Amino acid sequence: DAMVIQNPRYQVTQFGKPVTLSCSQTLNHNVMYWYQQKSSQAPKLLFHYYDKDFNNEADTPDNFQSRRPNTSFCFLDIRSPGLGDAAMYLCATSPPGDRGDLNQPQHFGDGTRLSIL
Amino acid sequence: GQNIDQPTEMTATEGAIVQINCTYQTSGFNGLFWYQQHAGEAPTFLSYNVLDGLEEKGRFSSFLSRSKGYSYLLLKELQMKDSASYLCAPLDSNYQLIWGAGTKLIIKP
Repeated sequence: DAMVIQNPRYQVTQFGKPVTLSCSQTLNHNVMYWYQQKSSQAPKLLFHYYDKDFNNEADTPDNFQSRRPNTSFCFLDIRSPGLGDAAMYLCATSPPGDRGDLNQPQHFGDGTRLSIL
Repeated sequence: GQNIDQPTEMTATEGAIVQINCTYQTSGFNGLFWYQQHAGEAPTFLSYNVLDGLEEKGRFSSFLSRSKGYSYLLLKELQMKDSASYLCAPLDSNYQLIWGAGTKLIIKP
């Protein structure tokens, strides 16, 4: 089945130790998103790509970076994780189309739950 | 500013009907999504409304009034598996989803 796959489901890292979360999709969607979600809070958009066009949200900390080497893969790099970065990280995609078709539902991966020791 | 308001938590009985309300203020509007999110899992798409009125999809229906900045999600014949958070998310003028914190729905037998 076509889907959005996030690895790993659970990630534990040490305070200050760089960590990379990965996302792949078989849906051939142009748009990919990274969200951070803390317990009982709304998902917070960190970045999104429209094809290779990278869009960084104004309040995304510099500690967070992203790479999209091709249509199928997207990575979230946290350079120096702090305790406040412990959260669920969600990758999502939405279908291709011109700007008028951006009202398409987003398809989410299962998320990676990041813990910081 | 952009703002989403929905109740934090609701409780309902198995087999009953529940309505989850959402009011929103966004910079522009390009439709509104409802997502379901079970604890520890990712959101899954439920419905999308862009025109005023009611959209029915099985046990779930969603209503939109653009002039009032108001939507609701109606769940009928509630089942225990419907216990989840329900997130209201309008699309703003830049086609960005503005997420609410969600309404945690607790279903009791």
